[in-house]
Amino acid sequence: GENVEQHPSTLSVQEGDSAVIKCTYSDSASNYFPWYKQELGKGPQLIIDIRSNVGEKKDQRIAVTLNKTAKHFSLHITETQPEDSAVYFCAASIGAAGNKLTFGGGTRVLVKP
Amino acid sequence: NAGVMQNPRHLVRRRGQEARLRCSPMKGHSHVYWYRQLPEEGLKFMVYLQKENIIDESGMPKERFSAEFPKEGPSILRIQQVVRGDSAAYFCASSPPRGTVLHNEQFFGPGTRLTVL
Repeated sequence: GENVEQHPSTLSVQEGDSAVIKCTYSDSASNYFPWYKQELGKGPQLIIDIRSNVGEKKDQRIAVTLNKTAKHFSLHITETQPEDSAVYFCAASIGAAGNKLTFGGGTRVLVKP
Repeated sequence: NAGVMQNPRHLVRRRGQEARLRCSPMKGHSHVYWYRQLPEEGLKFMVYLQKENIIDESGMPKERFSAEFPKEGPSILRIQQVVRGDSAAYFCASSPPRGTVLHNEQFFGPGTRLTVL
């Protein structure tokens, strides 16, 4: 089955700097790659996603890139703010196989004021 | 427009008791997924259901766990004879029907935190 690796596991950045989180996946049939933000005691919140027919997608300070050949995708957060502090998860799914998500292990991001 | 609702938010059970976790999907969503999250870990897929059908239960433990999504009412995840290892956060997610543009997207509820004493 699909396996998703995520790194780093923790990331500390100064407010205003950029943060980058990287994920790799194993199943070349995966075609949907969402990113979730999870705050303490809450459920994961979808922040951005990308489909396999697109190489890059941007939404304000957040961008995601996908390299299908290398089977990796990345989340970029620019101009980080303290409210960006949370745990971020990448995931992958195969649309034709029911869309179940396989998650990475998570990255704990701390933005220092 | 209410999001995915889960109850209870916290559930404490003694070993050997039953736990029932409920999930109401977002309005208009017909697909429900259950995931389990152990402390400091990512979420693990358990089961995928549509109304009155289990589509994929490849992530469900073989014994003591069951799930349903009846024609009326919420989806239920049932854990019988709970053990300490069942202590975790259980999240439900829902997605729009197949054939819609956004059918891949899964929106999560706040979770049920199960503690087994």
